[in-house]
Amino acid sequence: SYELTQPLSVSVALGQTARITCGGSNIGSKNVHWYQQKPGQAPVLVIYRDSNRPSGIPERFSGSNSGSTATLTISRAQAGDEADYYCQVWDSSTVIFGGGTKLTVL
Amino acid sequence: EVQLLESGGGLVQPGGSLRLACAASRNYAMSWVRQAPGKGLEWVSAISHSGTSSYYADSVKGRFTISRDNSKNTLYLQMSSLRAEDTAVYYCARDRTLGTRPHDAFDIWGQGTMVTVSS
Repeated sequence: SYELTQPLSVSVALGQTARITCGGSNIGSKNVHWYQQKPGQAPVLVIYRDSNRPSGIPERFSGSNSGSTATLTISRAQAGDEADYYCQVWDSSTVIFGGGTKLTVL
Repeated sequence: EVQLLESGGGLVQPGGSLRLACAASRNYAMSWVRQAPGKGLEWVSAISHSGTSSYYADSVKGRFTISRDNSKNTLYLQMSSLRAEDTAVYYCARDRTLGTRPHDAFDIWGQGTMVTVSS
Protein backbone atom coordinates (compact mmCIF):
# COMPACT_ATOMS: atom_id res chain seq x y z
CA SER A 1 0.00 0.00 0.00
CA TYR A 2 1.06 3.57 -0.63
CA GLU A 3 2.83 5.39 2.19
CA LEU A 4 3.61 9.04 2.93
CA THR A 5 6.55 9.94 5.13
CA GLN A 6 6.76 13.19 7.10
CA PRO A 7 9.31 14.30 9.69
CA LEU A 8 7.94 14.07 13.21
CA SER A 9 8.91 17.62 14.00
CA VAL A 10 10.21 20.82 12.44
CA SER A 11 11.35 23.92 14.28
CA VAL A 12 11.55 27.43 12.86
CA ALA A 13 12.54 30.77 14.31
CA LEU A 14 9.90 33.45 14.43
CA GLY A 15 9.80 35.27 11.09
CA GLN A 16 11.85 32.67 9.25
CA THR A 17 10.83 30.08 6.67
CA ALA A 18 9.68 26.58 7.58
CA ARG A 19 9.63 23.70 5.15
CA ILE A 20 7.73 20.50 5.84
CA THR A 21 8.31 17.58 3.52
CA CYS A 22 6.11 14.68 2.51
CA GLY A 23 7.82 11.77 0.81
CA GLY A 24 6.20 9.09 -1.31
CA SER A 25 6.92 6.95 -4.34
CA ASN A 26 6.53 9.14 -7.42
CA ILE A 27 4.41 11.53 -5.39
CA GLY A 28 4.99 14.13 -8.08
CA SER A 29 2.41 12.31 -10.19
CA LYS A 30 -0.28 12.75 -7.54
CA ASN A 31 -2.24 15.70 -6.19
CA VAL A 32 -1.01 16.50 -2.69
CA HIS A 33 -3.11 18.34 -0.13
CA TRP A 34 -1.99 19.83 3.19
CA TYR A 35 -3.88 20.37 6.44
CA GLN A 36 -3.12 22.36 9.57
CA GLN A 37 -4.46 21.10 12.88
CA LYS A 38 -4.22 22.97 16.15
CA PRO A 39 -4.83 21.22 19.50
CA GLY A 40 -8.48 20.41 20.11
CA GLN A 41 -9.54 21.63 16.67
CA ALA A 42 -10.53 20.04 13.39
CA PRO A 43 -8.02 20.07 10.53
CA VAL A 44 -8.03 23.02 8.15
CA LEU A 45 -7.09 22.76 4.48
CA VAL A 46 -4.15 25.07 3.75
CA ILE A 47 -2.95 23.83 0.34
CA TYR A 48 -4.78 21.73 -2.25
CA ARG A 49 -3.55 20.12 -5.45
CA ASP A 50 0.11 20.71 -4.66
CA SER A 51 0.22 24.49 -4.63
CA ASN A 52 -3.22 26.09 -4.44
CA ARG A 53 -4.38 28.11 -1.45
CA PRO A 54 -8.04 28.08 -0.37
CA SER A 55 -9.59 31.46 0.23
CA GLY A 56 -8.63 32.85 3.61
CA ILE A 57 -5.26 31.10 3.79
CA PRO A 58 -2.37 33.60 3.92
CA GLU A 59 0.02 33.89 0.97
CA ARG A 60 2.76 32.89 3.40
CA PHE A 61 1.63 29.30 2.83
CA SER A 62 2.82 27.69 -0.39
CA GLY A 63 3.37 24.22 -1.75
CA SER A 64 5.35 22.33 -4.34
CA ASN A 65 5.50 18.75 -5.54
CA SER A 66 8.04 16.98 -7.70
CA GLY A 67 9.64 13.58 -7.96
CA SER A 68 9.40 11.80 -4.64
CA THR A 69 8.84 14.81 -2.37
CA ALA A 70 6.10 17.35 -1.80
CA THR A 71 6.89 20.38 0.34
CA LEU A 72 4.78 22.79 2.35
CA THR A 73 6.56 26.10 2.85
CA ILE A 74 5.55 28.63 5.48
CA SER A 75 7.23 31.99 5.07
CA ARG A 76 7.63 34.57 7.81
CA ALA A 77 6.50 32.05 10.39
CA GLN A 78 4.27 33.34 13.16
CA ALA A 79 3.48 31.97 16.59
CA GLY A 80 -0.02 31.17 15.35
CA ASP A 81 1.42 28.77 12.75
CA GLU A 82 2.47 26.37 15.49
CA ALA A 83 0.41 23.25 14.80
CA ASP A 84 0.45 19.74 13.36
CA TYR A 85 0.58 19.53 9.58
CA TYR A 86 -0.57 16.56 7.49
CA CYS A 87 -0.10 15.78 3.83
CA GLN A 88 -2.71 13.72 1.99
CA VAL A 89 -3.18 11.99 -1.36
CA TRP A 90 -5.67 9.68 -3.01
CA ASP A 91 -4.33 6.32 -4.12
CA SER A 92 -6.44 3.57 -5.69
CA SER A 93 -9.68 5.10 -4.39
CA THR A 94 -8.39 5.33 -0.85
CA VAL A 95 -7.06 8.28 1.11
CA ILE A 96 -3.55 8.25 2.51
CA PHE A 97 -2.41 10.69 5.19
CA GLY A 98 1.14 11.29 6.19
CA GLY A 99 1.96 10.70 9.83
CA GLY A 100 1.97 14.41 10.60
CA THR A 101 4.63 16.96 11.46
CA LYS A 102 4.61 19.11 14.57
CA LEU A 103 5.77 22.62 13.74
CA THR A 104 7.34 24.54 16.60
CA VAL A 105 7.91 28.28 16.24
CA LEU A 106 10.80 29.39 18.43
CA GLU B 1 -20.87 29.48 5.41
CA VAL B 2 -21.29 25.73 5.16
CA GLN B 3 -20.83 23.84 8.40
CA LEU B 4 -20.77 20.13 9.10
CA LEU B 5 -22.07 18.79 12.39
CA GLU B 6 -21.46 15.24 13.57
CA SER B 7 -23.52 13.40 16.15
CA GLY B 8 -23.95 9.93 17.58
CA GLY B 9 -20.67 9.38 19.35
CA GLY B 10 -20.42 7.84 22.79
CA LEU B 11 -19.22 4.92 24.87
CA VAL B 12 -19.82 1.43 23.51
CA GLN B 13 -18.63 -2.00 24.55
CA PRO B 14 -16.31 -4.08 22.39
CA GLY B 15 -18.32 -5.95 19.80
CA GLY B 16 -21.08 -3.36 19.93
CA SER B 17 -22.51 -1.06 17.29
CA LEU B 18 -22.96 2.66 16.85
CA ARG B 19 -24.26 4.92 14.11
CA LEU B 20 -22.74 8.33 13.48
CA ALA B 21 -24.50 11.06 11.55
CA CYS B 22 -23.29 14.23 9.89
CA ALA B 23 -25.41 17.10 8.63
CA ALA B 24 -23.69 17.09 5.28
CA SER B 25 -23.48 18.88 1.96
CA ARG B 26 -25.72 17.52 -0.76
CA ASN B 27 -24.02 17.20 -4.18
CA TYR B 28 -20.55 16.68 -2.76
CA ALA B 29 -18.67 13.47 -2.08
CA MET B 30 -18.09 13.00 1.64
CA SER B 31 -15.66 11.12 3.85
CA TRP B 32 -15.22 10.03 7.43
CA VAL B 33 -11.78 10.56 8.96
CA ARG B 34 -10.82 9.54 12.48
CA GLN B 35 -8.12 10.44 14.94
CA ALA B 36 -7.21 8.24 17.89
CA PRO B 37 -6.14 10.09 21.04
CA GLY B 38 -2.69 11.57 20.52
CA LYS B 39 -2.39 10.06 17.04
CA GLY B 40 -2.56 11.23 13.45
CA LEU B 41 -5.39 11.36 10.97
CA GLU B 42 -6.75 8.11 9.51
CA TRP B 43 -9.22 8.02 6.65
CA VAL B 44 -12.10 5.63 7.26
CA SER B 45 -14.54 5.75 4.36
CA ALA B 46 -15.87 7.85 1.49
CA ILE B 47 -19.04 8.03 -0.55
CA SER B 48 -19.88 9.63 -3.86
CA HIS B 49 -22.25 12.58 -4.05
CA SER B 50 -25.05 10.32 -5.29
CA GLY B 51 -24.39 7.58 -2.75
CA THR B 52 -23.92 4.95 -5.44
CA SER B 53 -20.21 4.38 -4.79
CA SER B 54 -18.47 3.83 -1.47
CA TYR B 55 -14.90 3.19 -0.41
CA TYR B 56 -13.34 1.86 2.80
CA ALA B 57 -10.03 1.60 4.59
CA ASP B 58 -8.91 -1.99 5.06
CA SER B 59 -9.08 -1.51 8.83
CA VAL B 60 -12.87 -1.09 8.76
CA LYS B 61 -13.91 -3.01 5.65
CA GLY B 62 -16.70 -5.44 6.45
CA ARG B 63 -17.46 -3.76 9.79
CA PHE B 64 -18.41 -0.20 8.86
CA THR B 65 -20.95 1.00 6.30
CA ILE B 66 -21.14 4.51 4.92
CA SER B 67 -24.40 5.83 3.49
CA ARG B 68 -26.20 9.09 2.86
CA ASP B 69 -29.73 10.41 2.61
CA ASN B 70 -29.59 13.42 0.32
CA SER B 71 -33.24 14.24 0.99
CA LYS B 72 -32.17 14.89 4.59
CA ASN B 73 -28.69 16.25 3.79
CA THR B 74 -27.31 13.61 6.13
CA LEU B 75 -24.27 11.35 5.98
CA TYR B 76 -24.07 8.21 8.12
CA LEU B 77 -21.46 5.79 9.36
CA GLN B 78 -22.80 2.53 10.73
CA MET B 79 -20.13 0.90 12.85
CA SER B 80 -20.38 -2.67 14.06
CA SER B 81 -18.09 -5.23 15.69
CA LEU B 82 -16.34 -2.32 17.35
CA ARG B 83 -12.88 -2.77 18.80
CA ALA B 84 -10.81 -0.82 21.29
CA GLU B 85 -8.65 0.42 18.40
CA ASP B 86 -11.70 2.12 16.87
CA THR B 87 -11.63 4.60 19.76
CA ALA B 88 -11.16 8.00 18.17
CA VAL B 89 -12.66 11.34 17.28
CA TYR B 90 -14.61 10.85 14.05
CA TYR B 91 -14.79 13.74 11.62
CA CYS B 92 -16.94 14.06 8.55
CA ALA B 93 -15.26 15.98 5.75
CA ARG B 94 -16.39 17.37 2.41
CA ASP B 95 -14.65 16.75 -0.88
CA ARG B 96 -13.97 20.16 -2.37
CA THR B 97 -15.17 19.32 -5.88
CA LEU B 98 -18.90 19.54 -6.60
CA GLY B 99 -20.77 16.54 -7.92
CA THR B 100 -18.10 13.91 -8.47
CA ARG B 101 -16.73 10.75 -7.01
CA PRO B 102 -14.48 11.37 -3.99
CA HIS B 103 -11.03 12.31 -5.24
CA ASP B 104 -10.04 15.77 -4.03
CA ALA B 105 -8.99 17.62 -0.89
CA PHE B 106 -11.28 17.98 2.11
CA ASP B 107 -12.23 21.63 2.26
CA ILE B 108 -14.74 21.54 5.10
CA TRP B 109 -14.56 19.47 8.28
CA GLY B 110 -16.95 18.99 11.14
CA GLN B 111 -15.84 19.45 14.73
CA GLY B 112 -15.84 15.72 15.35
CA THR B 113 -17.63 13.28 17.61
CA MET B 114 -15.84 11.04 20.09
CA VAL B 115 -16.31 7.29 19.99
CA THR B 116 -14.95 5.27 22.90
CA VAL B 117 -14.91 1.49 22.74
CA SER B 118 -14.36 0.07 26.19
CA SER B 119 -15.86 -2.37 28.65
